[in-house]
Amino acid sequence: EDKVVQSPLSLVVHEGDTVTLNCSYEVTNFRSLLWYKQEKKAPTFLFMLTSSGIEKKSGRLSSILDKKELFSILNITATQTGDSAVYLCASPISDYGNKLVFGAGTILRVKS
Amino acid sequence: NAGVTQTPKFQVLKTGQSMTLQCAQDMNHNSMYWYRQDPGMGLRLIYYSASEGTTDKGEVPNGYNVSRLNKREFSLRLESAAPSQTSVYFCASSQASGTSGANVLTFGAGSRLTVL
Repeated sequence: EDKVVQSPLSLVVHEGDTVTLNCSYEVTNFRSLLWYKQEKKAPTFLFMLTSSGIEKKSGRLSSILDKKELFSILNITATQTGDSAVYLCASPISDYGNKLVFGAGTILRVKS
Repeated sequence: NAGVTQTPKFQVLKTGQSMTLQCAQDMNHNSMYWYRQDPGMGLRLIYYSASEGTTDKGEVPNGYNVSRLNKREFSLRLESAAPSQTSVYFCASSQASGTSGANVLTFGAGSRLTVL
């Protein structure tokens, strides 16, 4: 069964800290891994990773994929209170075309 | 620039009642999805529609039906609601399978459903 596992489940940090969120996967015929940020409402897309070792970066957020060890990390540097959210990773399910299987999410709270 | 619009935003039902969640997208996307989100379990796929006229079951389809009314609209129906269906429901859409944007889902704001 295809699955995606995230850790930690929740995390509390102070503004300015750097955090690393983890996502491991077991997906038949793996094609890509995606990261989403969910604040109060709809998840919004952050990154899509398809190749090992190539970092994707957007401002203070960056992500990298390791296809040998079957995991991805999402780094956030110099955290701000606005980074408080649930971070979700997901991967297309091999039997269902472009449908995604999601991890349970990491709840990040940044304290001022 | 509406994106994906879901209605209603909130609904309270009694066990056994029926209701339909409506979803519409204005991005000319081919694929549409219904997910539910429960605490500690992430998003789980209920049903999927690759294109107008086609639907397919996801991980948790029991107790639900869907209709892909046209390219824009994809509705989710609960025929006889149960307390286990208390959840937040998200509709999403994406470009067609096989395209670079196929896995980049755009989500609606969610519909919070409580079944008593």
